[in-house]
Amino acid sequence: DTGVSQDPRHKITKRGQNVTFRCDPISEHNRLYWYRQTLGQGPEFLTYFQNEAQLEKSRLLSDRFSAERPKGSFSTLEIQRTEQGDSAMYLCASSLVSPRDTEAFFGQGTRLTVV
Amino acid sequence: ILNVEQSPQSLHVQEGDSTNFTCSFPSSNFYALHWYRWETAKSPEALFVMTLNGDEKKKGRISATLNTKEGYSYLYIKGSQPEDSATYLCAFTQNFVFGPGTRLSVLP
Repeated sequence: DTGVSQDPRHKITKRGQNVTFRCDPISEHNRLYWYRQTLGQGPEFLTYFQNEAQLEKSRLLSDRFSAERPKGSFSTLEIQRTEQGDSAMYLCASSLVSPRDTEAFFGQGTRLTVV
Repeated sequence: ILNVEQSPQSLHVQEGDSTNFTCSFPSSNFYALHWYRWETAKSPEALFVMTLNGDEKKKGRISATLNTKEGYSYLYIKGSQPEDSATYLCAFTQNFVFGPGTRLSVLP
């Protein structure tokens, strides 16, 4: 396992279409995080999972955003009815369940462009 | 989820200058603080994980201190080099919520 992988790396979609991104965490990591990053800003927390349980989703940007981690391994982030304002880099990270002493490892991100 | 603040938002220094920036967080219920370095077109990479009041960590020319009672951490870079140019992020709580970052530019 070479790290966190995200697919696709780039996505161009038309406004109003649905898009889904995938994140494969480091295999032994229980926690998986999703972030959005827009130009000039730090990563904006969206949601996170511990195993298959979604423990925090209040920061999801709207009800058009949803995330799943059905088997506690890979996760998907879906954006429905995309808007131009959704254009951003979407980052995934994973960590062990006790992040007090451990770090989160990030994927390369998926860059979404809504035209 | 608690919010993290960082200052300054951006910083421009000359090569060889030393610099520092701040991460502020609520001092109650401290869990851990992480510093990350984020270079353009790369993924954030961890610099330090800090857990105890008074912690001081060092990696080469970069060091960090932690004050959990007053709710801040400092990151120091000694003798800045152009390759230090990046966004420096701190993350607080057990949920890895990041601050907005400090963008450092080191001019040769």
